[in-house]
Amino acid sequence: QLQLKESGPGLAKPSETLSLTCTVSGGSIIKSGYYWAWIRQPPGRGLEWIGSIYYTGSTYYNESLRNQVTMSVDTSTNQFSLKLTDVTAADTAVYYCARYASAWYFDNWGQGFRVTVSS
Amino acid sequence: DIQMTQSPSSVSASVGDRVTITCRASQGVSRWLAWYQQKRGKAPKVVVYATSSLENGVPSRFSGSGSGTDFALTISSLQPEDFATYYCQAANTFLPTFGGGTKVEF
Repeated sequence: QLQLKESGPGLAKPSETLSLTCTVSGGSIIKSGYYWAWIRQPPGRGLEWIGSIYYTGSTYYNESLRNQVTMSVDTSTNQFSLKLTDVTAADTAVYYCARYASAWYFDNWGQGFRVTVSS
Repeated sequence: DIQMTQSPSSVSASVGDRVTITCRASQGVSRWLAWYQQKRGKAPKVVVYATSSLENGVPSRFSGSGSGTDFALTISSLQPEDFATYYCQAANTFLPTFGGGTKVEF
């Protein structure tokens, strides 16, 4: 059974770079037709797609976050990562990693990882 | 970018009620519309994808319909475990967008 799990620091200071990793188990990240994504949810609010990456390294980003976001993938460790630069309090959220299936929906999600941006 | 307008933002219902949530896309998304259920403190789980396909294990009281820009999720007979927040999500292929959510509550 496919499982995804987010990890990283739970606290960042304003202007720092936030780095999160998603570890995929129970299946390979090298799977044709599937992308790997980051989604976040600020406290009490809705879901926001951040970006998606293919195992080849091809990426798509939310235009509103394009200047802040870099995603990468490591097929040797079955992980993919998110870097968010120059964070502010507005980046405080639960961050989810997920698999983006070929019918354009998220079929598997991680449990979520809470990140707080505060000095 | 596609914008998704979901309504209502909340609905009060009782066990056994029929509940319908709607989602409108700012442009046609063909049939690429999914619905997710999220319970407090948990990750979202897909309920319906490709407009009307039920995810494995989802009860048949859930159904999805629509096409183009207008879509709906219907719960035919609300059960206690269905009280949650529901989100629609459409995709312009690689660029997904979520609706604002509908909280189904007592």
